[in-house]
Amino acid sequence: GQQVMQIPQYQHVQEGEDFTTYCNSSTTLSNIQWYKQRPGGHPVFLIQLVKSGEVKKQKRLTFQFGEAKKNSSLHITATQTTDVGTYFCAVGSGGGADGLTFGKGTHLIIQP
Amino acid sequence: GAGVSQSPRYKVAKRGQDVALRCDPISGHVSLFWYQQALGQGPEFLTYFQNEAQLDKSGLPSDRFFAERPEGSVSTLKIQRTQQEDSAVYLCASSFSRDYEQYFGPGTRLTVT
Repeated sequence: GQQVMQIPQYQHVQEGEDFTTYCNSSTTLSNIQWYKQRPGGHPVFLIQLVKSGEVKKQKRLTFQFGEAKKNSSLHITATQTTDVGTYFCAVGSGGGADGLTFGKGTHLIIQP
Repeated sequence: GAGVSQSPRYKVAKRGQDVALRCDPISGHVSLFWYQQALGQGPEFLTYFQNEAQLDKSGLPSDRFFAERPEGSVSTLKIQRTQQEDSAVYLCASSFSRDYEQYFGPGTRLTVT
């Protein structure tokens, strides 16, 4: 099945700083989804990207899908303590399993 | 409407016991997924249902794991003869269709002692 590499694994920022997590695949993706999981919580869907070069914004969050559809990024501007959690990218497994394959996630830790 | 619910939220089992984990998906959602999440890791796919049909069980780690969704709504994940390595959070997710966003339940934290 498809695999995605997500970096960094951990990111410490001061409140108000920006944050970016990256997701990379060796194969072309049909689409990519992003989820957020708060400590002790469950994954919550943020967005799905489908088109090559697509950019979507949700308030302080900006999501990009690469031109080759092999990479994606999530950027948060001016982080707040409510942004704490783990951000996962997830991709469909193509011709294999029907479920999502999740990256290992980026744990965002914010120091006030 | 209510989200995805799972029960029990916590389960402690002695090694060798059987356990059954329940998932109530969002009403009308055709697709239902089970995932296993180890501490500090991303969810790993176990199995997928479209209505009552189990279309993919390629992620089930062994034949001790069994899932069903007999009426196309509630689903049960059963683990027989539990082992310590089965300790994890088991997440259920449902969606309108396979390629749509998935809505996750709160999970069942299974601890095998």
